[in-house]
Amino acid sequence: QVQLVESGGGVVQPGRSLRLSCVASGFTFRSFGMHWVRQAPGKGLEWVTVISFDGNNNYYADSVKGRFTISRDNSKNTLYLQMNSLRAEDTAVYYCARGSGGSCYSRWFDPWGQGTLVTVSS
Amino acid sequence: QSVLTQPPSVSAAPGQKVTISCSGSSSNIGNNYVSWYLQLPGTAPKLLIYDNNKRPSGIPDRFSGAKSGTSATLGITGLQTGDEADYYCGTWDSSLSADFNWVFGGGTKLTVL
Repeated sequence: QVQLVESGGGVVQPGRSLRLSCVASGFTFRSFGMHWVRQAPGKGLEWVTVISFDGNNNYYADSVKGRFTISRDNSKNTLYLQMNSLRAEDTAVYYCARGSGGSCYSRWFDPWGQGTLVTVSS
Repeated sequence: QSVLTQPPSVSAAPGQKVTISCSGSSSNIGNNYVSWYLQLPGTAPKLLIYDNNKRPSGIPDRFSGAKSGTSATLGITGLQTGDEADYYCGTWDSSLSADFNWVFGGGTKLTVL
């Protein structure tokens, strides 16, 4: 079945870095744009970033621009999120999600991974 | 403050019908497809409605979506206690001030009384 599994979350101090991974299975990973969406504790959903099917295009929310980097390894069916200069306000569950097509533009997200919790605290 | 506006909460009795609104602007809902997501407590979001009014396979026809102008609506009929969850609308926002930006509503908590 189509599945996304995130990993790499944990507790990190402000200013430090963390890399999240999302392993895809059950579909042709290299054909789809992929997104990261986060949800702070008790809050709503916030889109973070997107990467096109071939990794050549990406876009970021203003809140993470210049600090986060999205990438993918199509040979490993894996999506990454490199998070640098972490802040307390980056504390959230991070979900990876498949877009509706190969480009960065997406009409919907499906499926979503189970999420991985990132806690930024001293 | 979310770009898309949803009521924080709605409630209705089992078996009844409820609607959840999602209000935006011409830079988002007015010119892009809307999707809806269901998030049961402690779980990941799940696609409920896509392209304004289409249901993925496995989603019962008790759930429906509609869009008119810069607003969208999710309808749920025959409410069940298992429908208690948070519901989010989402779409692209193509305003001139943004590169590429996907926006969500603030979410609506459905309580089945």
